Amino acid sequence: GAVVSQHPSRVICKSGTSVKIECRSLDFQATTMFWYRQFPKKSLMLMATSNEGSKATYEQGVEKDKFLINHASLTLSTLTVTSAHPEDSSFYICSATSGRDNEQFFGPGTRLTVL
Amino acid sequence: AQSVAQPEDQVNVAEGNPLTVKCTYSVSGNPYLFWYVQYPNRGLQFLLKYITGDNLVKGSYGFEAEFNKSQTSFHLKKPSALVSDSALYFCAVSLYSSASKIIFGSGTRLSIRP
Repeated sequence: GAVVSQHPSRVICKSGTSVKIECRSLDFQATTMFWYRQFPKKSLMLMATSNEGSKATYEQGVEKDKFLINHASLTLSTLTVTSAHPEDSSFYICSATSGRDNEQFFGPGTRLTVL
Repeated sequence: AQSVAQPEDQVNVAEGNPLTVKCTYSVSGNPYLFWYVQYPNRGLQFLLKYITGDNLVKGSYGFEAEFNKSQTSFHLKKPSALVSDSALYFCAVSLYSSASKIIFGSGTRLSIRP
């Protein structure tokens, strides 16, 4: 199957700083990417849907100014957590798809810890 | 609104025994249904999906799932469990296509004892 990578796999930052997480489709062009957040021992919650070249669509309750999503190319989407706080600590997972009837492929996730 | 329910937080099964992980869904149209597995600190791995056709769907690692429209269920099954099947399993639904946003259930931790 297709491969989606995330970088970094783990990041620890101080409260108040910003952190950027990258999601890349390695062997296909991803027209749509999704960003999920997973709390410990909890399910994945969809944060936003990102289409290449357009603004992301955020789910209700997700602060778009805090979680900045950019999908600048068909192989790369980035999630920037701005002014991170300890409550933003979580496991962030992206997925990517190349078209309407195609599968979503999930990245390995990024664990963010905000001190 | 579409939703997915996994009524069991944890399922414990002895190795070699059959296993079932339950899932029910609620959607207003014809659903795309999925099962994913997650190992510790890892992303999700696709197991199988149902779109249309045969109600019994076969997937990876010997897993299968049965779609039951009248009961709005999509239970995951395996005839003989392995210790390596121990992981977190998510049922999920999408309304429009495999490429649309996916709504996940709360997850069921499967523990297989030797």
